[in-house]
Amino acid sequence: DTGVSQNPRHKITKRGQNVTFRCDPISEHNRLYWYRQTLGQGPEFLTYFQNEAQLEKSRLLSDRFSAERPKGSFSTLEIQRTEQGDSAMYLCASSLVDYGYTFGSGTRLTVV
Amino acid sequence: TQLLEQSPQFLSIQEGENLTVYCNSSSVFSSLQWYRQEPGEGPVLLVTVVTGGEVKKLKRLTFQFGDARKDSSLHITAAQPGDTGLYLCAGAGETSGSRLTFGEGTQLTVNP
Repeated sequence: DTGVSQNPRHKITKRGQNVTFRCDPISEHNRLYWYRQTLGQGPEFLTYFQNEAQLEKSRLLSDRFSAERPKGSFSTLEIQRTEQGDSAMYLCASSLVDYGYTFGSGTRLTVV
Repeated sequence: TQLLEQSPQFLSIQEGENLTVYCNSSSVFSSLQWYRQEPGEGPVLLVTVVTGGEVKKLKRLTFQFGDARKDSSLHITAAQPGDTGLYLCAGAGETSGSRLTFGEGTQLTVNP
């Protein structure tokens, strides 16, 4: 297992388009998290899964955002009708216990 | 809302110097983690501290968790250019479950 994998690494999209990102966590980790990070800021929590159940969503996650984790394995994060303010690095992390995440390299989204 | 304030925000020092980064909050955390992030990559976990007053050492890095579990510090001895990066502290709240609250980060540059 080579860690948490995120695809694509970079995505440029036009405003109003839909985008979907994928995260493959470390296989034995049952917890998966999505965070968003803008330049000069620390990551902000978006949502969290334990196995296939989405247990918590941030108020940052508007109705244009949806995340799934079918079968408790990989996860997808979809943004509908993208806006320029959605431009950010989207980070996925997984963990087995509460202490310490393993992050992926992120997906850099640019909305033009 | 739990907030973590990091200071300083930017730090530029010469190789061989010592430095300390601070992470403060008015909230109590059940655990606190330190990460290091390089440009275009996800954060990498350095250490997790759990017990108030705990001190952990990782080679030239010393991490301390405050007695009241509201603050933490990272001390680097004899900094090297390879220590350059964004240092992030992140706290797990007593009631926030697995969600981490991140500070805004300290951008460290070590000049040769």
